[in-house]
Amino acid sequence: GQQVMQIPQYQHVQEGEDFTTYCNSSTTLSNIQWYKQRPGGHPVFLIQLVKSGEVKKQKRLTFQFGEAKKNSSLHITATQTTDVGTYFCAGKEYSSASKIIFGSGTRLSIRP
Amino acid sequence: KAGVTQTPRYLIKTRGQQVTLSCSPISGHRSVSWYQQTPGQGLQFLFEYFSETQRNKGNFPGRFSGRQFSNSRSEMNVSTLELGDSALYLCASQSAGGSDLGEQFFGPGTRLTVL
Repeated sequence: GQQVMQIPQYQHVQEGEDFTTYCNSSTTLSNIQWYKQRPGGHPVFLIQLVKSGEVKKQKRLTFQFGEAKKNSSLHITATQTTDVGTYFCAGKEYSSASKIIFGSGTRLSIRP
Repeated sequence: KAGVTQTPRYLIKTRGQQVTLSCSPISGHRSVSWYQQTPGQGLQFLFEYFSETQRNKGNFPGRFSGRQFSNSRSEMNVSTLELGDSALYLCASQSAGGSDLGEQFFGPGTRLTVL
């Protein structure tokens, strides 16, 4: 079945450093979504990528969808303490009724 | 617009008991998905309901079941609880669901502890 792997599992950075999390799917995806979950909170939608090679930016966050639509990345420039949380990717296969599969998440912690 | 609501927020049960969790999606949303979140397994998809029909199902045993009502509210039931069922159960609503693309809006979750 479809698997979505996410690395790294944990990342501890100094405030101001950059951060990247990677997501890889075993199958081609129709789209990929990214969510952020703050400690004690619930996942909150960040963005959705649909097109091959797509790049989207949200302030300090840059999201990429691979050319083969099997991988994606989230890059945060100059991290801030408000970026703390777990970042999940979630992919959906091409299918009439396929479910969304979440990656295992990358937990980001930041040293002030 | 009110967000996704889940009740109860916390629940403590003992092994062998059953439990029913409730989710009210955002008004107008017809798709409701359920996820189990544990520290070791991350977010695991349970099932998705759309217009009162189960559209997708994850790899969970038959002890886990759900349903959706005509007002799009959804319930999930876990029978014969096991210790390993302790988790945060998240509900997410989406305007369309299924093959349609779209943001999922998550509720605050129900924290289930099985003793």
